[in-house]
Amino acid sequence: EPEVTQTPSHQVTQMGQEVILRCVPISNHLYFYWYRQILGQKVEFLVSFYNNEISEKSEIFDDQFSVERPDGSNFTLKIRSTKLEDSAMYFCASNIRSGGGGETQYFGPGTRLLVL
Amino acid sequence: SQQGEEDPQALSIQEGENATMNCSYKTSINNLQWYRQNSGRGLVHLILIRSNEREKHSGRLRVTLDTSKKSSSLLITASRAADTASYFCATDAGRRALTFGSGTRLQVQP
Repeated sequence: EPEVTQTPSHQVTQMGQEVILRCVPISNHLYFYWYRQILGQKVEFLVSFYNNEISEKSEIFDDQFSVERPDGSNFTLKIRSTKLEDSAMYFCASNIRSGGGGETQYFGPGTRLLVL
Repeated sequence: SQQGEEDPQALSIQEGENATMNCSYKTSINNLQWYRQNSGRGLVHLILIRSNEREKHSGRLRVTLDTSKKSSSLLITASRAADTASYFCATDAGRRALTFGSGTRLQVQP
Protein backbone atom coordinates (compact mmCIF):
# COMPACT_ATOMS: atom_id res chain seq x y z
CA GLU A 1 0.00 0.00 0.00
CA PRO A 2 1.42 3.43 -0.91
CA GLU A 3 2.54 5.54 2.00
CA VAL A 4 4.07 8.89 2.81
CA THR A 5 7.73 8.62 3.74
CA GLN A 6 9.88 11.10 5.62
CA THR A 7 13.60 11.48 6.17
CA PRO A 8 15.41 11.68 8.44
CA SER A 9 13.50 10.02 11.25
CA HIS A 10 15.49 11.99 13.82
CA GLN A 11 17.58 15.12 13.53
CA VAL A 12 19.60 16.92 16.16
CA THR A 13 20.86 20.40 15.34
CA GLN A 14 22.37 23.41 17.01
CA MET A 15 20.32 26.56 17.49
CA GLY A 16 20.73 28.87 14.52
CA GLN A 17 21.48 26.11 12.05
CA GLU A 18 19.40 25.41 8.97
CA VAL A 19 17.57 22.12 8.64
CA ILE A 20 15.74 20.55 5.73
CA LEU A 21 13.12 17.94 6.38
CA ARG A 22 12.21 15.73 3.48
CA CYS A 23 9.00 14.03 2.51
CA VAL A 24 7.88 11.86 -0.36
CA PRO A 25 4.09 12.10 -0.62
CA ILE A 26 1.97 9.38 -2.16
CA SER A 27 2.66 9.50 -5.87
CA ASN A 28 -0.74 10.48 -7.30
CA HIS A 29 -1.59 12.94 -4.54
CA LEU A 30 -1.89 16.61 -5.36
CA TYR A 31 -2.15 18.34 -1.99
CA PHE A 32 0.73 18.39 0.49
CA TYR A 33 0.98 19.56 4.07
CA TRP A 34 3.36 20.04 6.95
CA TYR A 35 2.20 19.78 10.54
CA ARG A 36 4.15 19.76 13.75
CA GLN A 37 3.58 18.35 17.22
CA ILE A 38 5.52 19.73 20.15
CA LEU A 39 5.97 17.03 22.77
CA GLY A 40 2.76 16.51 24.72
CA GLN A 41 0.82 19.04 22.67
CA LYS A 42 -1.64 19.06 19.79
CA VAL A 43 -0.76 18.48 16.19
CA GLU A 44 -0.62 21.93 14.58
CA PHE A 45 -1.01 22.86 10.95
CA LEU A 46 1.92 24.70 9.37
CA VAL A 47 1.37 24.94 5.63
CA SER A 48 -0.46 23.46 2.68
CA PHE A 49 0.88 23.29 -0.86
CA TYR A 50 -0.90 22.74 -4.15
CA ASN A 51 0.01 23.29 -7.77
CA ASN A 52 3.55 24.31 -6.82
CA GLU A 53 2.57 27.06 -4.48
CA ILE A 54 1.55 27.61 -0.88
CA SER A 55 -2.22 27.58 -0.61
CA GLU A 56 -2.46 28.28 3.09
CA LYS A 57 -0.16 28.83 6.04
CA SER A 58 -0.62 29.27 9.76
CA GLU A 59 0.82 31.98 11.95
CA ILE A 60 3.50 29.52 13.02
CA PHE A 61 4.83 29.42 9.46
CA ASP A 62 6.86 32.63 9.57
CA ASP A 63 9.75 33.81 7.41
CA GLN A 64 12.05 31.22 8.96
CA PHE A 65 10.10 28.47 7.23
CA SER A 66 9.89 27.63 3.56
CA VAL A 67 8.61 24.73 1.51
CA GLU A 68 9.59 23.45 -1.86
CA ARG A 69 8.76 20.70 -4.28
CA PRO A 70 12.12 20.48 -6.03
CA ASP A 71 11.16 17.59 -8.29
CA GLY A 72 8.18 15.39 -9.03
CA SER A 73 8.43 13.38 -5.85
CA ASN A 74 9.99 15.28 -2.95
CA PHE A 75 8.39 17.89 -0.73
CA THR A 76 10.69 19.69 1.69
CA LEU A 77 10.37 21.92 4.72
CA LYS A 78 13.29 24.20 5.46
CA ILE A 79 13.85 26.01 8.73
CA ARG A 80 16.48 28.66 8.09
CA SER A 81 17.70 29.43 11.59
CA THR A 82 16.41 26.98 14.12
CA LYS A 83 15.28 28.02 17.59
CA LEU A 84 14.92 25.90 20.70
CA GLU A 85 11.14 26.11 20.37
CA ASP A 86 11.30 24.49 16.92
CA SER A 87 11.98 21.18 18.66
CA ALA A 88 9.03 19.01 17.71
CA MET A 89 7.86 16.11 15.61
CA TYR A 90 7.23 17.30 12.06
CA PHE A 91 4.68 15.43 9.99
CA CYS A 92 4.19 15.55 6.27
CA ALA A 93 0.78 14.63 4.86
CA SER A 94 -0.84 14.38 1.47
CA ASN A 95 -4.22 13.81 -0.07
CA ILE A 96 -5.37 13.18 -3.58
CA ARG A 97 -7.90 15.95 -4.07
CA SER A 98 -10.11 18.37 -2.23
CA GLY A 99 -13.36 16.47 -2.47
CA GLY A 100 -15.17 13.49 -3.92
CA GLY A 101 -13.67 11.02 -1.50
CA GLY A 102 -10.11 12.24 -1.81
CA GLU A 103 -9.99 14.35 1.30
CA THR A 104 -8.37 11.81 3.59
CA GLN A 105 -4.96 13.06 4.59
CA TYR A 106 -2.30 10.39 4.91
CA PHE A 107 0.53 11.17 7.27
CA GLY A 108 4.13 10.16 7.22
CA PRO A 109 5.91 8.70 10.25
CA GLY A 110 7.38 12.07 11.19
CA THR A 111 10.80 13.59 11.75
CA ARG A 112 11.71 14.26 15.34
CA LEU A 113 13.72 17.48 15.43
CA LEU A 114 15.72 18.41 18.49
CA VAL A 115 17.32 21.85 18.62
CA LEU A 116 20.07 22.26 21.20
CA SER B 1 -13.23 24.61 24.31
CA GLN B 2 -11.11 24.80 21.22
CA GLN B 3 -11.91 23.37 17.80
CA GLY B 4 -11.63 19.60 17.96
CA GLU B 5 -11.53 18.86 21.67
CA GLU B 6 -11.74 15.28 22.81
CA ASP B 7 -13.00 13.86 26.03
CA PRO B 8 -12.11 12.07 28.11
CA GLN B 9 -8.45 13.05 28.09
CA ALA B 10 -7.57 9.58 29.31
CA LEU B 11 -9.47 6.31 29.38
CA SER B 12 -8.46 2.99 30.90
CA ILE B 13 -10.48 -0.14 30.18
CA GLN B 14 -10.14 -3.90 30.21
CA GLU B 15 -9.63 -5.94 27.10
CA GLY B 16 -12.96 -6.88 25.56
CA GLU B 17 -14.73 -3.76 26.77
CA ASN B 18 -15.91 -0.99 24.48
CA ALA B 19 -14.19 2.39 24.41
CA THR B 20 -16.02 5.58 23.55
CA MET B 21 -14.26 8.86 22.84
CA ASN B 22 -15.97 12.13 22.12
CA CYS B 23 -14.96 15.16 20.12
CA SER B 24 -16.50 18.60 20.05
CA TYR B 25 -15.80 21.39 17.63
CA LYS B 26 -16.91 24.96 17.09
CA THR B 27 -17.09 25.86 13.41
CA SER B 28 -18.92 24.34 10.46
CA ILE B 29 -17.01 21.50 8.89
CA ASN B 30 -16.76 19.62 5.61
CA ASN B 31 -15.61 16.46 7.28
CA LEU B 32 -14.15 15.08 10.48
CA GLN B 33 -11.36 12.54 10.58
CA TRP B 34 -10.18 10.30 13.39
CA TYR B 35 -6.54 9.36 13.75
CA ARG B 36 -4.60 7.08 16.01
CA GLN B 37 -1.09 7.68 17.28
CA ASN B 38 1.04 5.18 19.11
CA SER B 39 3.43 6.79 21.57
CA GLY B 40 5.94 8.95 19.73
CA ARG B 41 4.95 7.59 16.35
CA GLY B 42 3.08 8.76 13.26
CA LEU B 43 -0.60 9.40 12.76
CA VAL B 44 -2.65 6.59 11.30
CA HIS B 45 -5.90 7.50 9.61
CA LEU B 46 -8.86 5.56 10.95
CA ILE B 47 -12.02 6.94 9.42
CA LEU B 48 -13.47 10.03 7.75
CA ILE B 49 -17.06 11.11 8.15
CA ARG B 50 -18.58 13.86 6.02
CA SER B 51 -20.84 16.58 7.29
CA ASN B 52 -23.86 15.01 5.58
CA GLU B 53 -23.25 11.62 7.19
CA ARG B 54 -24.46 10.61 10.63
CA GLU B 55 -22.74 7.30 11.20
CA LYS B 56 -19.96 5.25 9.70
CA HIS B 57 -18.49 1.86 10.44
CA SER B 58 -15.11 0.33 9.76
CA GLY B 59 -14.39 -3.03 11.33
CA ARG B 60 -14.58 -2.56 15.11
CA LEU B 61 -14.87 1.21 14.75
CA ARG B 62 -18.08 3.17 14.73
CA VAL B 63 -18.10 6.92 14.28
CA THR B 64 -21.09 9.20 14.71
CA LEU B 65 -21.43 12.83 13.79
CA ASP B 66 -24.01 15.27 15.10
CA THR B 67 -23.57 18.55 13.27
CA SER B 68 -26.35 20.22 15.26
CA LYS B 69 -24.33 19.62 18.44
CA LYS B 70 -20.99 19.95 16.68
CA SER B 71 -19.82 16.69 18.14
CA SER B 72 -18.56 13.28 17.08
CA SER B 73 -17.89 10.06 18.86
CA LEU B 74 -15.57 7.16 18.15
CA LEU B 75 -16.54 3.77 19.50
CA ILE B 76 -14.07 0.91 19.53
CA THR B 77 -15.82 -2.35 20.24
CA ALA B 78 -14.27 -5.43 21.85
CA SER B 79 -11.05 -3.56 22.59
CA ARG B 80 -7.65 -5.24 22.50
CA ALA B 81 -4.39 -4.40 24.21
CA ALA B 82 -3.08 -3.39 20.78
CA ASP B 83 -5.67 -0.60 20.67
CA THR B 84 -3.66 1.22 23.34
CA ALA B 85 -2.80 4.57 21.75
CA SER B 86 -3.86 8.21 21.58
CA TYR B 87 -6.85 9.00 19.43
CA PHE B 88 -7.38 12.38 17.81
CA CYS B 89 -10.22 13.95 15.95
CA ALA B 90 -9.36 16.43 13.24
CA THR B 91 -11.76 18.76 11.50
CA ASP B 92 -11.67 20.00 7.93
CA ALA B 93 -13.54 23.30 7.81
CA GLY B 94 -13.20 23.61 4.06
CA ARG B 95 -9.72 25.04 4.02
CA ARG B 96 -8.17 21.56 3.82
CA ALA B 97 -5.88 22.27 6.77
CA LEU B 98 -6.88 19.94 9.57
CA THR B 99 -7.44 21.23 13.09
CA PHE B 100 -6.59 18.60 15.65
CA GLY B 101 -7.89 18.14 19.15
CA SER B 102 -5.81 17.34 22.20
CA GLY B 103 -6.55 13.64 21.97
CA THR B 104 -7.76 10.85 24.22
CA ARG B 105 -5.14 8.51 25.64
CA LEU B 106 -6.62 5.02 25.64
CA GLN B 107 -5.08 2.29 27.77
CA VAL B 108 -6.45 -1.21 27.27
CA GLN B 109 -5.45 -3.54 30.07
CA PRO B 110 -4.89 -7.17 29.03
